[in-house]
Amino acid sequence: KAGVTQTPRYLIKTRGQQVTLSCSPISGHRSVSWYQQTPGQGLQFLFEYFSETQRNKGNFPGRFSGRQFSNSRSEMNVSTLELGDSALYLCASSPPGGTNYGYTFGSGTRLTVV
Amino acid sequence: AQSVTQPDIHITVSEGASLELRCNYSYGATPYLFWYVQSPGQGLQLLLKYFSGDTLVQGIKGFEAEFKRSQSSFNLRKPSVHWSDAAEYFCAVGAPLTGGGNKLTFGTGTQLKVEL
Repeated sequence: KAGVTQTPRYLIKTRGQQVTLSCSPISGHRSVSWYQQTPGQGLQFLFEYFSETQRNKGNFPGRFSGRQFSNSRSEMNVSTLELGDSALYLCASSPPGGTNYGYTFGSGTRLTVV
Repeated sequence: AQSVTQPDIHITVSEGASLELRCNYSYGATPYLFWYVQSPGQGLQLLLKYFSGDTLVQGIKGFEAEFKRSQSSFNLRKPSVHWSDAAEYFCAVGAPLTGGGNKLTFGTGTQLKVEL
């Protein structure tokens, strides 16, 4: 079966711009989580969506937002980009069911802010 | 709050040698523990996970990990390393969230280099 697909793979943006990243989960998976990976901070939880609702959010400013569509595809948006937003953004999907933790990660979107 | 410590930032081993990557966690309840591997420019691949039961867990690619509650550790091992194992390895602890669902808290990773 197809894995988690993230698009685009690479992005270069200028400070102050906004960006939208996309994540298509594995078919049947309804939960989508986003993580930011940077050399300085490591892997950090951004937010998690389930059935089009944001259930949880990590400790990130309001410039980071997201949404989930009825087909479970998810997008995340970062507005007013800062140099420090340069990172690998990873999306993970998991099937429904309590403490499943059956995460499958995508290959990520590498965002560079210049 | 939960946390994960991977004390070794870099490790170099010779091909064919044994490997042990250290992981210590802090979590108030019974932990859900994971090891992931990441190749350059790629996402995370799950190697193995521990939820409960047998404290020695077998994973993919010949990896295993042992959960030791008394030491709050979940070290990853492989008897004989292959050059293709060179990558970054992350230990993680999972925790449920108040809104439902759960999240992973990762360690800072251990970069493995394999010498031929």
